[in-house]
Amino acid sequence: RKEVEQDPGPFNVPEGATVAFNCTYSNSASQSFFWYRQDCRKEPKLLMSVYSSGNEDGRFTAQLNRASQYISLLIRDSKLSDSATYLCVVQKGSARQLTFGSGTQLTVLP
Amino acid sequence: NAGVTQTPKFQVLKTGQSMTLQCAQDMNHNSMYWYRQDPGMGLRLIYYSASEGTTDKGEVPNGYNVSRLNKREFSLRLESAAPSQTSVYFCASGGSSAADVYAQYFGPGTRLTVT
Repeated sequence: RKEVEQDPGPFNVPEGATVAFNCTYSNSASQSFFWYRQDCRKEPKLLMSVYSSGNEDGRFTAQLNRASQYISLLIRDSKLSDSATYLCVVQKGSARQLTFGSGTQLTVLP
Repeated sequence: NAGVTQTPKFQVLKTGQSMTLQCAQDMNHNSMYWYRQDPGMGLRLIYYSASEGTTDKGEVPNGYNVSRLNKREFSLRLESAAPSQTSVYFCASGGSSAADVYAQYFGPGTRLTVT
C-alpha cells in the first residue's frame, strides 16, 4: 500500500464549479498534513496546512479525519487559474520528512 | 527575500560525467532537502539535512552525494551520471514557525538530462 494515495484524475470542471479531492495515508503516527499545488513544469507550492478542526482559506477548505486517515480539499467557485496538480502531503511519522502523493490533476474549463 | 534558489536551471550531461547542483535558502530554515520528480512517480526524497552539519539518506540516495556547506547552502553531487538520473531535481527547505514547522518550501528546480 502506498503511504499517500490520491485519485490521479484528471478532473475537468467548468468555471464556477465546486470540486473535491480526497487522499488517504497509511502512517497513523503522522501529525502534520498539507496540500500543495504544482503548475506544469514548476515547483510545488504550499497551498495550505490541514488541521484537525478543518480550515478554510478563501475558496479552499481542507478537512482531516484522523480516525479514517483521510484528508480532503474542497475548491469552491473554480477559476481558470486553479488549473494545476494538487499534491496531498503527509509528515512521515515523527521525522522532519514529508511524503508526497502523486497528485490529482485539475483543469478548469471556460 | 529570494526564498530557495537553485542553479543551474537546465543541464545536459553525458553518461559518466559529474556535476554539482547548488541550492541556497535565505529563510533561516534549519532543514534542507533534495528531491527528484519523475513522471508517474511523484516526488522522491534523495537526501536531507535536518540541521547544519548533518545529512541523511532518503528514499533514493544511490548515485548521489550531498554537502551541507552552511546553514544556507545544500549541494547535490552526481559523481558519474547515468541515464536513469534524468529527472527534475528540486531543493526544499523547512523548519520555520511552530505552526508549520514541517512545511517545506521549494526552489524552481533543475531539469537534468543524461544522454
